[in-house]
Amino acid sequence: GAGVSQSPSNKVTEKGKDVELRCDPISGHTALYWYRQSLGQGLEFLIYFQGNSAPDKSGLPSDRFSAERTGGSVSTLTIQRTQQEDSAVYLCASSPPWGEQYFGPGTRLTVT
Amino acid sequence: DAKTTQPNSMESNEEEPVHLPCNHSTISGTDYIHWYRQLPSQGPEYVIHGLTSNVNNRMASLAIAEDRKSSTLILHRATLRDAAVYYCIPPWGSQGNLIFGKGTKLSVKP
Repeated sequence: GAGVSQSPSNKVTEKGKDVELRCDPISGHTALYWYRQSLGQGLEFLIYFQGNSAPDKSGLPSDRFSAERTGGSVSTLTIQRTQQEDSAVYLCASSPPWGEQYFGPGTRLTVT
Repeated sequence: DAKTTQPNSMESNEEEPVHLPCNHSTISGTDYIHWYRQLPSQGPEYVIHGLTSNVNNRMASLAIAEDRKSSTLILHRATLRDAAVYYCIPPWGSQGNLIFGKGTKLSVKP
């Protein structure tokens, strides 16, 4: 069946611009997670959605980061006023509640 | 939170078994032990999980110590495609998120 998909696969943006990253989870998975992976930091957790519940935003690295999940399905991670330290691979995962997580291929973001 | 310790890297020859160890001495009684791996240029993928008993699936086996303070992921016959970084979980985050350490980078030689 279809796995988790993410778009775009690559994004190059200029410092100061806003970007939107999209995640399509596996159908029926109620839990959705965003992580990012950068050379200096390894894999770090950003935010979690369970169904339509409001997410806990405490893991987001700054207030320039926001995320939403519409209709309990597709999620968008938005980074405003991008900085060079935002350059990383952004990974989305979905799962049944507390089940094994299925990861997408990631979006590689490069801020120039 | 449970902390894990894994070797930074390991090497194996193709077609040989590989035993990847993980110490999680502060694991709680209800934490499942999960293993994920990340192939080059891909997102992590689930490998196996268990609680107390040893587990087998098509990808690997998981041997859990009786005191649960350590576990070993066993690849019975390593292939070149098994070259990846292997992550042992716990710890878990409070939201069910995975907390990734540095993992073990497995190299497989032909």
